Amino acid sequence: KQEVTQIPAALSVPEGENLVLNCSFTDSAIYNLQWFRQDPGKGLTSLLLIQSSQREQTSGRLNASLDKSSGRSTLYIAASQPGDSATYLCAVRRRDSSYKLIFGSGTRLLVRP
Amino acid sequence: DAGITQSPRHKVTETGTPVTLRCHQTENHRYMYWYRQDPGHGLRLIHYSYGVKDTDKGEVSDGYSVSRSKTEDFLLTLESATSSQTSVYFCAISESGAHEQYFGPGTRLTVT
Repeated sequence: KQEVTQIPAALSVPEGENLVLNCSFTDSAIYNLQWFRQDPGKGLTSLLLIQSSQREQTSGRLNASLDKSSGRSTLYIAASQPGDSATYLCAVRRRDSSYKLIFGSGTRLLVRP
Repeated sequence: DAGITQSPRHKVTETGTPVTLRCHQTENHRYMYWYRQDPGHGLRLIHYSYGVKDTDKGEVSDGYSVSRSKTEDFLLTLESATSSQTSVYFCAISESGAHEQYFGPGTRLTVT
């Protein structure tokens, strides 16, 4: 059974720091992995989708990497800003006919001014 | 933002009453999903649809039913609401099962 873990559960950093959020999964047979952001009381916003054949994907100050063999993905945020404060969720998509997403429990990020 | 709306956005209902939540999309995506989000459990899939009248169960489908009679609408019904179904419900859409999923704003349901 696929399990997705995100550590740490919460992170507080000063503005301007570069930071890394971690996501690990137990079954390497994934189709792709998606990173989301969720603001309090809001829905999820898709940040990046990285295919199983890719090593990394970039969008602006965000960079996601994927190492399928070790069951790990990282989300790198450069030059963090208070507006980056949110919960970040990763989800892996199963490599079977269902293509179901399995979510981690998220990392709650606070960027202090 | 993907064109996804959910209604109602907030609802309080009593135990034993039927409840229907609606998800509406303007993107013409084939796949639609219903999730619930609870503290300590994260996001869990309830049901999903891969086309009009084509639906399948997710991991927490007991007590829920769905219907999709049009591409743009996906309904989630709680036949007889229970307190354990108090949650935030999210709808999501995707072009195919393997494409990015885009989420709606959510419905906060409280069952008293």
